[in-house]
Amino acid sequence: AQSVTQPDIHITVSEGASLELRCNYSYGATPYLFWYVQSPGQGLQLLLKYFSGDTLVQGIKGFEAEFKRSQSSFNLRKPSVHWSDAAEYFCAVGLNTGTASKLTFGTGTRLQVTL
Amino acid sequence: GAVVSQHPSRVICKSGTSVKIECRSLDFQATTMFWYRQFPKQSLMLMATSNEGSKATYEQGVEKDKFLINHASLTLSTLTVTSAHPEDSSFYICSAILLLGTSGRGDTQYFGPGTRLTVL
Repeated sequence: AQSVTQPDIHITVSEGASLELRCNYSYGATPYLFWYVQSPGQGLQLLLKYFSGDTLVQGIKGFEAEFKRSQSSFNLRKPSVHWSDAAEYFCAVGLNTGTASKLTFGTGTRLQVTL
Repeated sequence: GAVVSQHPSRVICKSGTSVKIECRSLDFQATTMFWYRQFPKQSLMLMATSNEGSKATYEQGVEKDKFLINHASLTLSTLTVTSAHPEDSSFYICSAILLLGTSGRGDTQYFGPGTRLTVL
Protein backbone atom coordinates (compact mmCIF):
# COMPACT_ATOMS: atom_id res chain seq x y z
CA ALA A 1 0.00 0.00 0.00
CA GLN A 2 1.12 3.50 -0.71
CA SER A 3 2.12 5.89 2.06
CA VAL A 4 3.23 9.47 2.40
CA THR A 5 5.49 10.95 5.03
CA GLN A 6 5.80 14.61 5.83
CA PRO A 7 8.59 14.74 8.42
CA ASP A 8 7.97 18.30 9.53
CA ILE A 9 4.82 18.85 11.56
CA HIS A 10 5.38 22.56 11.98
CA ILE A 11 7.67 25.04 10.23
CA THR A 12 8.18 28.73 10.90
CA VAL A 13 9.80 31.01 8.36
CA SER A 14 10.20 34.75 8.06
CA GLU A 15 8.35 36.57 5.35
CA GLY A 16 10.56 36.84 2.29
CA ALA A 17 12.61 33.79 3.20
CA SER A 18 12.72 30.67 1.08
CA LEU A 19 10.68 27.60 1.94
CA GLU A 20 11.03 23.89 1.42
CA LEU A 21 8.46 21.40 2.69
CA ARG A 22 9.51 17.79 2.60
CA CYS A 23 7.48 14.89 1.32
CA ASN A 24 8.53 11.27 0.93
CA TYR A 25 6.34 8.58 -0.53
CA SER A 26 6.24 4.85 -0.73
CA TYR A 27 4.61 3.36 -3.78
CA GLY A 28 5.43 0.42 -5.99
CA ALA A 29 4.76 2.05 -9.33
CA THR A 30 5.13 5.48 -10.83
CA PRO A 31 3.25 7.72 -8.46
CA TYR A 32 0.86 10.52 -9.12
CA LEU A 33 1.89 13.20 -6.64
CA PHE A 34 0.05 16.24 -5.40
CA TRP A 35 0.48 19.15 -3.05
CA TYR A 36 -2.59 20.74 -1.50
CA VAL A 37 -2.92 23.73 0.82
CA GLN A 38 -5.63 24.07 3.45
CA SER A 39 -6.36 27.43 4.99
CA PRO A 40 -8.54 27.72 8.11
CA GLY A 41 -12.19 27.32 7.25
CA GLN A 42 -11.45 26.56 3.63
CA GLY A 43 -11.22 23.46 1.55
CA LEU A 44 -8.07 21.98 0.16
CA GLN A 45 -6.71 23.84 -2.82
CA LEU A 46 -4.49 22.13 -5.36
CA LEU A 47 -1.08 23.77 -5.62
CA LEU A 48 0.49 21.46 -8.18
CA LYS A 49 0.63 17.90 -9.39
CA TYR A 50 3.02 15.50 -11.05
CA PHE A 51 1.98 12.69 -13.34
CA SER A 52 4.89 12.27 -15.71
CA GLY A 53 7.38 14.20 -17.77
CA ASP A 54 9.40 17.09 -16.43
CA THR A 55 10.31 16.37 -12.84
CA LEU A 56 10.20 20.03 -11.85
CA VAL A 57 6.59 21.09 -11.62
CA GLN A 58 5.36 24.64 -11.42
CA GLY A 59 2.23 25.43 -9.50
CA ILE A 60 0.08 28.30 -8.42
CA LYS A 61 1.08 31.07 -6.02
CA GLY A 62 4.74 30.76 -6.96
CA PHE A 63 5.18 27.22 -5.66
CA GLU A 64 7.16 24.50 -7.36
CA ALA A 65 8.00 20.91 -6.54
CA GLU A 66 10.60 18.48 -7.76
CA PHE A 67 10.04 14.77 -8.17
CA LYS A 68 13.13 12.75 -7.32
CA ARG A 69 12.56 9.09 -7.97
CA SER A 70 15.88 8.02 -6.44
CA GLN A 71 14.95 9.66 -3.17
CA SER A 72 11.20 8.94 -3.33
CA SER A 73 10.65 12.58 -2.64
CA PHE A 74 8.42 15.37 -3.90
CA ASN A 75 9.48 18.45 -1.94
CA LEU A 76 7.60 21.71 -2.24
CA ARG A 77 9.51 24.94 -2.58
CA LYS A 78 8.92 28.64 -2.77
CA PRO A 79 11.73 31.18 -3.15
CA SER A 80 10.07 33.95 -1.15
CA VAL A 81 7.27 33.31 1.31
CA HIS A 82 4.43 35.73 1.85
CA TRP A 83 2.47 36.09 5.08
CA SER A 84 -0.62 34.81 3.26
CA ASP A 85 1.11 31.48 2.69
CA ALA A 86 0.57 30.55 6.33
CA ALA A 87 -1.58 27.42 6.19
CA GLU A 88 -1.51 23.64 6.38
CA TYR A 89 0.17 21.87 3.48
CA PHE A 90 -0.57 18.31 2.49
CA CYS A 91 1.35 16.06 0.17
CA ALA A 92 -0.61 13.22 -1.40
CA VAL A 93 0.05 10.23 -3.62
CA GLY A 94 -2.56 8.97 -6.02
CA LEU A 95 -3.36 5.36 -6.74
CA ASN A 96 -4.85 4.87 -10.15
CA THR A 97 -7.76 2.52 -9.65
CA GLY A 98 -8.62 2.58 -13.30
CA THR A 99 -11.53 4.92 -13.01
CA ALA A 100 -10.20 7.51 -10.63
CA SER A 101 -7.22 8.21 -8.46
CA LYS A 102 -7.61 7.50 -4.76
CA LEU A 103 -5.42 9.75 -2.70
CA THR A 104 -3.35 8.94 0.34
CA PHE A 105 -2.40 12.03 2.28
CA GLY A 106 0.54 12.80 4.48
CA THR A 107 -0.07 14.14 7.97
CA GLY A 108 0.49 17.70 6.86
CA THR A 109 2.94 20.49 7.65
CA ARG A 110 1.70 23.62 9.32
CA LEU A 111 3.49 26.69 8.02
CA GLN A 112 3.77 29.77 10.18
CA VAL A 113 5.10 32.98 8.66
CA THR A 114 6.60 35.66 10.85
CA LEU A 115 6.75 39.27 9.77
CA GLY B 1 -13.89 26.63 -12.47
CA ALA B 2 -14.05 23.25 -10.70
CA VAL B 3 -15.84 24.46 -7.61
CA VAL B 4 -17.19 22.03 -5.03
CA SER B 5 -19.58 23.09 -2.31
CA GLN B 6 -20.71 21.40 0.87
CA HIS B 7 -23.78 22.00 2.95
CA PRO B 8 -24.04 22.60 5.80
CA SER B 9 -20.69 24.03 6.81
CA ARG B 10 -21.40 23.31 10.47
CA VAL B 11 -23.94 21.12 12.19
CA ILE B 12 -24.57 20.29 15.80
CA CYS B 13 -26.88 17.42 16.62
CA LYS B 14 -27.93 15.28 19.52
CA SER B 15 -26.65 11.78 19.99
CA GLY B 16 -28.82 9.24 18.21
CA THR B 17 -29.99 11.51 15.42
CA SER B 18 -29.02 11.34 11.76
CA VAL B 19 -27.29 14.06 9.84
CA LYS B 20 -27.10 14.52 6.08
CA ILE B 21 -24.23 16.34 4.39
CA GLU B 22 -24.43 17.40 0.76
CA CYS B 23 -21.55 17.68 -1.68
CA ARG B 24 -22.11 19.42 -5.01
CA SER B 25 -19.91 20.05 -7.99
CA LEU B 26 -21.09 23.46 -9.14
CA ASP B 27 -19.64 23.86 -12.58
CA PHE B 28 -18.73 20.39 -13.74
CA GLN B 29 -20.08 16.88 -13.72
CA ALA B 30 -18.45 14.37 -11.47
CA THR B 31 -19.06 10.67 -11.90
CA THR B 32 -16.86 10.03 -8.90
CA MET B 33 -16.78 11.78 -5.55
CA PHE B 34 -14.84 10.93 -2.43
CA TRP B 35 -15.66 11.38 1.21
CA TYR B 36 -12.93 12.01 3.76
CA ARG B 37 -12.80 12.46 7.48
CA GLN B 38 -10.27 14.71 9.17
CA PHE B 39 -9.56 14.67 12.87
CA PRO B 40 -8.05 17.73 14.55
CA LYS B 41 -4.47 18.31 13.50
CA GLN B 42 -4.45 15.10 11.50
CA SER B 43 -4.55 14.14 7.89
CA LEU B 44 -7.51 13.30 5.72
CA MET B 45 -8.63 9.71 5.86
CA LEU B 46 -10.56 8.38 2.90
CA MET B 47 -13.87 6.94 3.96
CA ALA B 48 -15.52 5.96 0.72
CA THR B 49 -15.70 6.41 -3.01
CA SER B 50 -19.04 7.50 -4.38
CA ASN B 51 -19.92 6.62 -7.95
CA GLU B 52 -22.95 8.01 -9.70
CA GLY B 53 -25.53 5.33 -10.34
CA SER B 54 -23.86 2.62 -8.28
CA LYS B 55 -23.16 1.68 -4.70
CA ALA B 56 -20.40 3.42 -2.84
CA THR B 57 -17.14 1.64 -2.11
CA TYR B 58 -16.08 1.88 1.50
CA GLU B 59 -12.57 1.76 2.87
CA GLN B 60 -11.63 -0.89 5.35
CA GLY B 61 -12.92 -0.14 8.80
CA VAL B 62 -15.65 2.25 7.68
CA GLU B 63 -19.16 1.10 8.59
CA LYS B 64 -21.32 1.36 5.51
CA ASP B 65 -24.52 1.16 7.54
CA LYS B 66 -23.30 4.04 9.67
CA PHE B 67 -22.19 6.28 6.86
CA LEU B 68 -24.74 6.09 4.07
CA ILE B 69 -23.64 7.53 0.76
CA ASN B 70 -25.93 8.32 -2.14
CA HIS B 71 -24.64 9.69 -5.43
CA ALA B 72 -27.94 10.87 -6.79
CA SER B 73 -26.72 12.73 -9.84
CA LEU B 74 -23.57 13.79 -11.64
CA THR B 75 -23.36 16.86 -9.44
CA LEU B 76 -24.58 15.66 -6.04
CA SER B 77 -23.42 13.16 -3.46
CA THR B 78 -24.75 12.93 0.07
CA LEU B 79 -23.29 11.46 3.22
CA THR B 80 -25.71 10.57 5.99
CA VAL B 81 -24.30 9.84 9.41
CA THR B 82 -26.90 7.60 10.98
CA SER B 83 -27.50 7.41 14.72
CA ALA B 84 -24.65 9.79 15.33
CA HIS B 85 -22.61 9.56 18.51
CA PRO B 86 -20.00 11.89 19.98
CA GLU B 87 -17.18 9.83 18.49
CA ASP B 88 -18.56 10.69 15.05
CA SER B 89 -17.76 14.34 15.66
CA SER B 90 -15.26 15.33 13.03
CA PHE B 91 -14.58 17.40 9.94
CA TYR B 92 -16.03 15.74 6.86
CA ILE B 93 -14.68 16.71 3.46
CA CYS B 94 -15.80 15.68 0.02
CA SER B 95 -14.01 15.89 -3.27
CA ALA B 96 -15.07 15.51 -6.86
CA ILE B 97 -13.08 14.24 -9.78
CA LEU B 98 -12.76 16.36 -12.87
CA LEU B 99 -12.13 13.74 -15.50
CA LEU B 100 -9.56 14.47 -18.14
CA GLY B 101 -9.73 11.04 -19.66
CA THR B 102 -11.08 7.58 -19.10
CA SER B 103 -8.05 5.84 -17.66
CA GLY B 104 -7.83 7.72 -14.40
CA ARG B 105 -4.57 9.38 -15.35
CA GLY B 106 -4.56 13.09 -15.05
CA ASP B 107 -7.57 13.17 -12.79
CA THR B 108 -7.57 15.91 -10.22
CA GLN B 109 -9.67 15.97 -7.09
CA TYR B 110 -11.34 19.24 -6.20
CA PHE B 111 -12.29 19.59 -2.59
CA GLY B 112 -15.25 21.07 -0.84
CA PRO B 113 -14.77 23.40 2.14
CA GLY B 114 -15.76 20.72 4.63
CA THR B 115 -18.52 20.21 7.19
CA ARG B 116 -17.85 20.37 10.90
CA LEU B 117 -20.06 17.86 12.69
CA THR B 118 -20.46 18.06 16.44
CA VAL B 119 -22.51 15.39 18.18
CA LEU B 120 -23.58 16.22 21.71
